[in-house]
Amino acid sequence: QVQLQQWGAGLLKPSETLSLTCAVYGGSFSGYYWSWIRQPPGKGLEWIGEINRGGDTNYNPSLKSRVTISVDTSKNQFSLRLSSVTAADTAVYYCARGVASGSFYHYWGQGTLVTASS
Amino acid sequence: DIQMTQSPSTLSASVGDRVTITCRASQSISSWLAWYQQKPGRAPKLLIDKASSLETGVPSRFSGSGSGTEFTLTISSLQPDDFATYYCQQYKSYSLTFGGGTKVEIK
Repeated sequence: QVQLQQWGAGLLKPSETLSLTCAVYGGSFSGYYWSWIRQPPGKGLEWIGEINRGGDTNYNPSLKSRVTISVDTSKNQFSLRLSSVTAADTAVYYCARGVASGSFYHYWGQGTLVTASS
Repeated sequence: DIQMTQSPSTLSASVGDRVTITCRASQSISSWLAWYQQKPGRAPKLLIDKASSLETGVPSRFSGSGSGTEFTLTISSLQPDDFATYYCQQYKSYSLTFGGGTKVEIK
């Protein structure tokens, strides 16, 4: 049974850097793409980016200048950093497993609400 | 980016009703479309991929159809557990994009 468990700081001040980590339990870490997706309160879903075991990444162009997704294969974990946050970055952030690069998502983390407020 | 537009944004229906949700893409995405169900406070759940392929364990009352730019998700007989918000997602090209969602409410 594949499980994604995520954690990270939930309250940030504007201009700070958001940092979240997602650990993968069960199943293989190889052969998949690992993504971050966010959802502002009461709104729809926005794809942030993805990474594979080898460190190949793809990012949403609208966030690319502020986003870094990294992977730690020794721990079966991947992480998201989003710099210079503003109130517009307030959202529930999800990690998810894609079956391939740029695909759909069977498995999701539980979500982490990140609030950017002074 | 490919824009995904869902309609309606809200739908009021009764148990037993047949429900249809539409998703339109701003350009052709062939059949590279997935549908998700999301309940409050929960992560989305994958229902359908490749426009019409039902995921294992998803009830057969859910079905998907379409190709190119127009797609539909149909629930043949709405059940109490189906009241939720539904999203489509294209995976034809980067950046992956989602529709704005359709909330299915109790009438």
